Amino acid sequence: RKEVEQDPGPFNVPEGATVAFNCTYSNSASQSFFWYRQDCRKEPKLLMSVYSSGNEDGRFTAQLNRASQYISLLIRDSKLSDSATYLCVVRGAYNQGGKLIFGQGTELSVKP
Amino acid sequence: DGGITQSPKYLFRKEGQNVTLSCEQNLNHDAMYWYRQDPGQGLRLIYYSQIVNDFQKGDIAEGYSVSREKKESFPLTVTSAQKNPTAFYLCASSMFERGTKETQYFGPGTRLLVL
Repeated sequence: RKEVEQDPGPFNVPEGATVAFNCTYSNSASQSFFWYRQDCRKEPKLLMSVYSSGNEDGRFTAQLNRASQYISLLIRDSKLSDSATYLCVVRGAYNQGGKLIFGQGTELSVKP
Repeated sequence: DGGITQSPKYLFRKEGQNVTLSCEQNLNHDAMYWYRQDPGQGLRLIYYSQIVNDFQKGDIAEGYSVSREKKESFPLTVTSAQKNPTAFYLCASSMFERGTKETQYFGPGTRLLVL
């Protein structure tokens, strides 16, 4: 089982749609959680951290369920500019050196 | 401008040749990292360094070497022992404090191709 698993893509949605990405992680001692965005042939960039209480940043909402070891990202009112690959990232347990572990990414394509 | 720079953007390697990828940061970050990304796959950690003059192997260190002589610089050498070096190489840095929620910031990457 992979340490971090994401929905296989790609997701093709029309502008204005709501889209949700799911991610599971295997180590219950994982410390912190993030969503990164990666545009084609570019470096990943931090989209948002994920907090236990859930957090929102404009059209983006992230949720964490530690009991189920599950993370989600919801994008409302999709824009063409949201087209990218979304990476679920987990900070490993303290005894793993706290390294970041990346999911394989879920590609989103928003169409006019 | 504060940030992470990587050079070159594209690099071509001949068989049996060692090549070095540059990574510099002026963010005053303690920790630096090297990742490799293959098409359709997540990032895999090659090496990381939490402090000057110290570094640790990541998950796929074979065929690679690093040095950390200065806080700002963390060059990666892809040796001839790395049999499948074609990939997108990403350098990252972060403040290093145990137990915090600090995350990593990435440079623009170097694409390495084998001739």
